[in-house]
Amino acid sequence: ELKVEQNPLFLSMQEGKNYTIYCNYSTTSDRLYWYRQDPGKSLESLFVLLSNGAVKQEGRLMASLDTKARLSTLHITAAVHDLSATYFCAVDMRGNTGKLIFGQGTTLQVKP
Amino acid sequence: DGGITQSPKYLFRKEGQNVTLSCEQNLNHDAMYWYRQDPGQGLRLIYYSQIVNDFQKGDIAEGYSVSREKKESFPLTVTSAQKNPTAFYLCASSYAARRANVLTFGAGSRLTVL
Repeated sequence: ELKVEQNPLFLSMQEGKNYTIYCNYSTTSDRLYWYRQDPGKSLESLFVLLSNGAVKQEGRLMASLDTKARLSTLHITAAVHDLSATYFCAVDMRGNTGKLIFGQGTTLQVKP
Repeated sequence: DGGITQSPKYLFRKEGQNVTLSCEQNLNHDAMYWYRQDPGQGLRLIYYSQIVNDFQKGDIAEGYSVSREKKESFPLTVTSAQKNPTAFYLCASSYAARRANVLTFGAGSRLTVL
């Protein structure tokens, strides 16, 4: 059974600081996704990582994938208040079963 | 504009009642999904369907039922057998045959059992 674990689950940080969210998964997969959810809202896609060593960047967020370590990271550079949200990673089971398994989510609070 | 429409946005149910949540998409996506989200938790997969007239159970299918009679529609029924149905329900869809299974989500339906 595929398990996806994120840490930390809650992160409070000052504006301007850097931090990394980690996403570990338990079985072989080479497709990993990051989503953002604002309070009471739906999820929006941030990044799609489709191969070992993939790196994607958008503004102050950068995501990477290490399929051998079964690990993805979401790095936040010089955080700003607008980045406050809950971030989820999700993993596709190999073989394109269509079953996407989500981590528990990391709630990020950026303080002025 | 293309997207996913979930209704109702808020729903109250008495114990013992079945309720049906609607999910419609006009993105021409093949696959559709239902997830449940509880406060402070991640998303758990209830059911998913990759083609019309076919669907599979997710991790927490007990107490729920679905149908997929049309490509655009994937309604979820929360039955009285579901012991703790109060939650936020999210419907999603995607192209089934592409390398990247990027999900597009609806705005969600919040169900409260009175």
